[in-house]
Amino acid sequence: SAVISQKPSRDICQRGTSLTIQCQVDSQVTMMFWYRQQPGQSLTLIATANQGSEATYESGFVIDKFPISRPNLTFSTLTVSNMSPEDSSIYLCSVAKKGPNYGYTFGSGTRLTVV
Amino acid sequence: EDQVTQSPEALRLQEGESSSLNCSYTVSGLRGLFWYRQDPGKGPEFLFTLYSAGEEKEKERLKATLTKKESFLHITAPKPEDSATYLCAVGETSGSRLTFGEGTQLTVNP
Repeated sequence: SAVISQKPSRDICQRGTSLTIQCQVDSQVTMMFWYRQQPGQSLTLIATANQGSEATYESGFVIDKFPISRPNLTFSTLTVSNMSPEDSSIYLCSVAKKGPNYGYTFGSGTRLTVV
Repeated sequence: EDQVTQSPEALRLQEGESSSLNCSYTVSGLRGLFWYRQDPGKGPEFLFTLYSAGEEKEKERLKATLTKKESFLHITAPKPEDSATYLCAVGETSGSRLTFGEGTQLTVNP
């Protein structure tokens, strides 16, 4: 199955600034997914990133706040823009596994604290 | 809209005390039901995918089962290292997104 490297693993940022999170996969994948996990809560899908096209955002998430890049089949970035304390969460990227035991693989996450 | 409800929210067991976690779901067309384990500060770790009612899968002390409305994760003779949050998610046939439940936080005391 795919191995995902996500950077940074954690960061503390000032409100009003932006942070870009990187997700590198060791194999080519068509779709990459970005999730948010707020403290004590489950995962919520932010957007789906396809190579060569604009990301598809879920209800409640907009491109101006969470711009996504997908320059090739192994890499994606998520930017959290103009941050506020409410953006403090864990952000995770994910890709679909291939093979008979189909599922999704997740990165280790980026723990973001906005002060 | 897809919905996933997990129960209980938290479960505390003694080592060796078997139990089950529940995941009830509503989805227009089930593509797969997924179980994950998540340790604090880490991303979810894939456990199982179930595709159709009646299907069962096992891995060490864990066994997942699926009906048309719910899935169970049975934990047999748990050990302290099984302590984690267990997440259930569904994927629907019309797309690729997953909808997650809130998770069950399992604590196994020695």
